[in-house]
Amino acid sequence: QITLKESGPTLVRPTQTLTLTCTFSGFSLSTRGEGVGWIRQPPGKALEWLALVYWDDDERYSPSLKNRLTITKDTSKNQVVLTMTNLDPVDTATYFCAHRREAGIVGYFDYWGQGTLVTVSS
Amino acid sequence: EIVMTQSPATLSVSPGERATLSCRASQSLSSNLAWYQQKPGQAPRLLIYGESTRATGIPARFSGSGSGTEFTLTISSLQSEDFAVYYCQQYNTWPTFGQGTRLEIK
Repeated sequence: QITLKESGPTLVRPTQTLTLTCTFSGFSLSTRGEGVGWIRQPPGKALEWLALVYWDDDERYSPSLKNRLTITKDTSKNQVVLTMTNLDPVDTATYFCAHRREAGIVGYFDYWGQGTLVTVSS
Repeated sequence: EIVMTQSPATLSVSPGERATLSCRASQSLSSNLAWYQQKPGQAPRLLIYGESTRATGIPARFSGSGSGTEFTLTISSLQSEDFAVYYCQQYNTWPTFGQGTRLEIK
């Protein structure tokens, strides 16, 4: 059974850096084909994909946010960490991590964490 | 970037009736399309992948169809638990989601 859970701060000041951790179980990110992604959702708005990390250390980012994002994995801890720099109030959102099911280069997301709401405000 | 456009934004349907939700892509996707259901305060739930394959545990009343740039999610007989927001997502290139269709009780 695959489970994922996000953790991190609930309130971040503008211009600060956000660090979110996804702790998962039920699969290993050292297994070929596996991947974990981050997706966010501003209140009342649609889903937006942010980043993906693959079993082979490949990383992919949303073109519109790539200059602000870093995704890393710690296979021994079963964790994936997303860092976002220079936060703005428009970054206020629920941040989800999700298990990527292999389908071509990208894939879809078959298991999701519960999400964590991050508010950016002074 | 592939832009995904869902219609309508809101769909009002009575329980027991059929609901048809549309998703259009700005470029051809082959069959690299997924559908998700999201209820308030919950994470999205995978319904359909590969344009028409139901995910594990998804009832047969949910079906996906289409190809290329035009896709449809059909719910054959709406149950009370089906009223939610539905998103399509393409994975032909880096993932993008539609803006969602809210399915509400008529």
